[in-house]
Amino acid sequence: GQQVMQIPQYQHVQEGEDFTTYCNSSTTLSNIQWYKQRPGGHPVFLIQLVKSGEVKKQKRLTFQFGEAKKNSSLHITATQTTDVGTYFCAAALNDMRFGAGTRLTVKP
Amino acid sequence: DGGITQSPKYLFRKEGQNVTLSCEQNLNHDAMYWYRQDPGQGLRLIYYSQIVNDFQKGDIAEGYSVSREKKESFPLTVTSAQKNPTAFYLCASTPRDRTILYGYTFGSGTRLTVV
Repeated sequence: GQQVMQIPQYQHVQEGEDFTTYCNSSTTLSNIQWYKQRPGGHPVFLIQLVKSGEVKKQKRLTFQFGEAKKNSSLHITATQTTDVGTYFCAAALNDMRFGAGTRLTVKP
Repeated sequence: DGGITQSPKYLFRKEGQNVTLSCEQNLNHDAMYWYRQDPGQGLRLIYYSQIVNDFQKGDIAEGYSVSREKKESFPLTVTSAQKNPTAFYLCASTPRDRTILYGYTFGSGTRLTVV
């Protein structure tokens, strides 16, 4: 079925460095959602983007939706150890489709 | 506090045994979902239900069954026909609106292991 592709699969950064994960689809998306799953935990909804070119910020997190509504990114500025976890994008394609996630580890 | 409760947190199943995972929500959400998560992979949809007494198969429904007799409850049965059931199972819910898509609220999950 239709999928959303997410890269990279893993990212290891030094505390204070920036981090970006990307989500791509071959089809135009009506919306994109982002979730965070802490190690051993469950996914928690972060944000939803619906408009072409939309940019939203949550403190050090910046979310973007592409102009063509086929891709999205999540950027974290100056990572902290509390940012560790797996970040998933999800898109409504008939039903909600989750990307494989990007696992972020942060070295203090 | 409103939320989704999954039980048990850990479950061990013997070969050939059926087990049922519980999912209860008090959020008054119409739609409920079951996902399976394997290490290094994303969430794969097993079943979903948008209204009481109705449910639909997801991508990996084989070996699983569900029921939706009450709005609050959406139990998942892992049958002996599921050959590789060891995984992390997540239940989610969301309000249902024709024009608005909402974020999913997830339960804390059940870790199922075949012994």
